[in-house]
Amino acid sequence: DAMVIQNPRYQVTQFGKPVTLSCSQTLNHNVMYWYQQKSSQAPKLLFHYYDKDFNNEADTPDNFQSRRPNTSFCFLDIRSPGLGDAAMYLCATSRAVLGGGRTGELFFGEGSRLTVL
Amino acid sequence: GENVEQHPSTLSVQEGDSAVIKCTYSDSASNYFPWYKQELGKRPQLIIDIRSNVGEKKDQRIAVTLNKTAKHFSLHITETQPEDSAVYFCAASRSGGSNYKLTFGKGTLLTVNP
Repeated sequence: DAMVIQNPRYQVTQFGKPVTLSCSQTLNHNVMYWYQQKSSQAPKLLFHYYDKDFNNEADTPDNFQSRRPNTSFCFLDIRSPGLGDAAMYLCATSRAVLGGGRTGELFFGEGSRLTVL
Repeated sequence: GENVEQHPSTLSVQEGDSAVIKCTYSDSASNYFPWYKQELGKRPQLIIDIRSNVGEKKDQRIAVTLNKTAKHFSLHITETQPEDSAVYFCAASRSGGSNYKLTFGKGTLLTVNP
């Protein structure tokens, strides 16, 4: 009964070869997040969607793009992966109400581990 | 933006002992403080959270305390068990408007020795 599903779980790519990671959710949550987590480090937020509104973190490289075609799906595109982009990419969702004032629990997927050769 | 500091980075305890992990935050407007547990190779999972209108919250062997004046909050695990071994992350955020993002601490690797 997985609620946040990421594919693929493991992705190996070559330096500079584009990669797309996907995330789907069955929770009907309106907020979706992409985090990058490198070994022994905290998850680092790349961007998030509040419904269709895209919110990019100031320090997220242009190499990272995202798409959210509908409520259930979100994609992370890495246009030209470098060695420094090797990491676990975590998708998460939460339910939030604009102006409602309460941040909800984040539900994480199992992650997609990216290796760059 | 928010900055969350977490200490210690590693913690080793004997089974049955208590463990305490401490975090400080910088944004006085932050009002939501969750703790996540991440076992090796697995997803982070929420174990407990606290909002700024309370000072302490308990759930069986785990508790969280919050000191808004000092801008710090702590996780307490009593009667630790080997299955408590994991990386624990604290986080902080403020709700309202479109700001729904968590800022995580760097994590604490807790090892519970049998």
